[in-house]
Amino acid sequence: DTEVTQTPKHLVMGMTNKKSLKCEQHMGHRAMYWYKQKAKKPPELMFVYSYEKLSINESVPSRFSPECPNSSLLNLHLHALQPEDSALYLCASSQLGQISYGYTFGSGTRLTVV
Amino acid sequence: KQEVTQIPAALSVPEGENLVLNCSFTDSAIYNLQWFRQDPGKGLTSLLLIQSSQREQTSGRLNASLDKSSGRSTLYIAASQPGDSATYLCAVRRGIYNQGGKLIFGQGTELSVKP
Repeated sequence: DTEVTQTPKHLVMGMTNKKSLKCEQHMGHRAMYWYKQKAKKPPELMFVYSYEKLSINESVPSRFSPECPNSSLLNLHLHALQPEDSALYLCASSQLGQISYGYTFGSGTRLTVV
Repeated sequence: KQEVTQIPAALSVPEGENLVLNCSFTDSAIYNLQWFRQDPGKGLTSLLLIQSSQREQTSGRLNASLDKSSGRSTLYIAASQPGDSATYLCAVRRGIYNQGGKLIFGQGTELSVKP
């Protein structure tokens, strides 16, 4: 299995809702990432988990809360979002200690905040 | 601070042409460079990965080169097809070795191949 699976593919939520994005990989990768991508822009890093521990937080607002329950799963919990948070949210994974391997991205979750 | 630039921002070519996409980066201290393809509203598909010690990689009609000393990479697409139409992103990897590090993207080149 060489894929990163993200669910849901599309999500519409109100500003008072709580929702979660899910990401799963079974490639044995020990680093997992959340990226945010606005239209016509490159992806921007939000969080990095290595060995299930948060290693990088790119000063993301607390209304985004990541979680890594195990080495295969990565969640992004959303609460009290703003319309400007509408974007494509991408999950990725990579090997650790193996710089010869690149990143594998999922197909993303298209989030719309109304 | 690492900056990645891609030229051109957009490119439109007739089917069958060979084409070159350019990527430059300001800091040569990279682990590797990866080229991705992104279709509208979709995720990123990895095309080629070049290690910092390598000069080029090939896959089918694609060839990517890396000149780390000058901070440049090119993606060559031979005999372009309408199905190649997409946005192409280059990204350099740097950061702490055992903490995943960071992937820094260029702005992308939007390619349109006309039948």
